[in-house]
Amino acid sequence: GNSVTQMEGPVTLSEEAFLTINCTYTATGYPSLFWYVQYPGEGLQLLLKATKADDKGSNKGFEATYRKETTSFHLEKGSVQVSDSAVYFCALSDRGNNRLAFGKGNQVVVIP
Amino acid sequence: DAGVTQSPTHLIKTRGQQVTLRCSPISGHKSVSWYQQVLGQGPQFIFQYYEKEERGRGNFPDRFSARQFPNYSSELNVNALLLGDSALYLCASSPRGADTYNEQFFGPGTRLTVL
Repeated sequence: GNSVTQMEGPVTLSEEAFLTINCTYTATGYPSLFWYVQYPGEGLQLLLKATKADDKGSNKGFEATYRKETTSFHLEKGSVQVSDSAVYFCALSDRGNNRLAFGKGNQVVVIP
Repeated sequence: DAGVTQSPTHLIKTRGQQVTLRCSPISGHKSVSWYQQVLGQGPQFIFQYYEKEERGRGNFPDRFSARQFPNYSSELNVNALLLGDSALYLCASSPRGADTYNEQFFGPGTRLTVL
């Protein structure tokens, strides 16, 4: 079945540092890939998406590239802000259905 | 425009009880999905409904059931509650059904605690 694996543990970094969160996936066929963000006390928000190999999703300074050869969709941001502190989830959706399979999430804490 | 709304916000039940959670999708959206998010984990897919019909079900026991009403709102029911059912229950709505991916918009969730 489909599954998403995110790197273990929370991520703590200083303001203006470079952020990378690793995500790899297992899926049959050609899934669409997503990053969702969950701010404290709020619901999930779509951050960015990519629907086919080599696509790059981007939003609010975050980027992720759909790498079919390595089955990865790593999230990056060049200079984080305190307001980026949140939980980030990698997810995929099979073509032909609309159900999302999520990774466990990574807590990101940005220190001023 | 209002986003996805869920009620109640928080709920405390005891083992063996039954619970009903409610979701109102974004106006014009015809599909509703339910997810369970246990603390420290990613959301797990429970159900999808489109045009009042079940279109998908995740790996959850029969104690979990749902329905969608003519106005596209939805209810999730859980019977014979177990401690392990304690979680944040998320509802998501999308414009169309499962023929192709269309963005899902999530509500703030209902926090269920089972004692």
